[in-house]
Amino acid sequence: GAVVSQHPSRVICKSGTSVKIECRSLDFQATTMFWYRQFPKKSLMLMATSNEGSKATYEQGVEKDKFLINHASLTLSTLTVTSAHPEDSSFYICSAREPFTDTQYFGPGTRLTVL
Amino acid sequence: QKEVEQDPGPLSVPEGAIVSLNCTYSNSAFQYFMWYRQYSRKGPELLMYTYSSGNKEDGRFTAQVDKSSKYISLFIRDSQPSDSATYLCAFSGTGTASKLTFGTGTRLQVTL
Repeated sequence: GAVVSQHPSRVICKSGTSVKIECRSLDFQATTMFWYRQFPKKSLMLMATSNEGSKATYEQGVEKDKFLINHASLTLSTLTVTSAHPEDSSFYICSAREPFTDTQYFGPGTRLTVL
Repeated sequence: QKEVEQDPGPLSVPEGAIVSLNCTYSNSAFQYFMWYRQYSRKGPELLMYTYSSGNKEDGRFTAQVDKSSKYISLFIRDSQPSDSATYLCAFSGTGTASKLTFGTGTRLQVTL
């Protein structure tokens, strides 16, 4: 089946630093990837839709300068949390659109803790 | 009114029981209906999807959609301890690979 990986799985950083999270589709090419955020015991909240070769589309209320998304290739999208603060601590999950089944496959998630 | 309503549980059942998980929605534009399973500290895994009213069966899982009532269900037969996870309903207006709206998830515990 389609596999999506994320790296790192867990990161702890100091307030004010920037953190980059990678999302890779391992066995298929994904023109579209999605970035979600999930708080404990809460649902997934879509942050942005990432299209290869073009600018990401952000959901209302998500700061594009805070959460930088780059989808530079058909197998890699990155999310950079800039000048991270404790309120940015969360579980970040990416997904990728698998073209043959036209289905989203999710990565395992990245737990970010900002001290 | 929330766009999607899902009972967070937890729901505890004995092994072998039939489990019924439900979601209601208010957005008439939703045309695709999905169920995801999420284990703790993992990403969601797609279990079932459908785009029409009625039932769809896959092994021990049955997805049921009632568009007129804006109500979807997931039934799990012969539940196993390995089914213990959080189950998320998800909706889309244009396809399973498009923007998804998730429920809050129902935590299921299947006990021996």
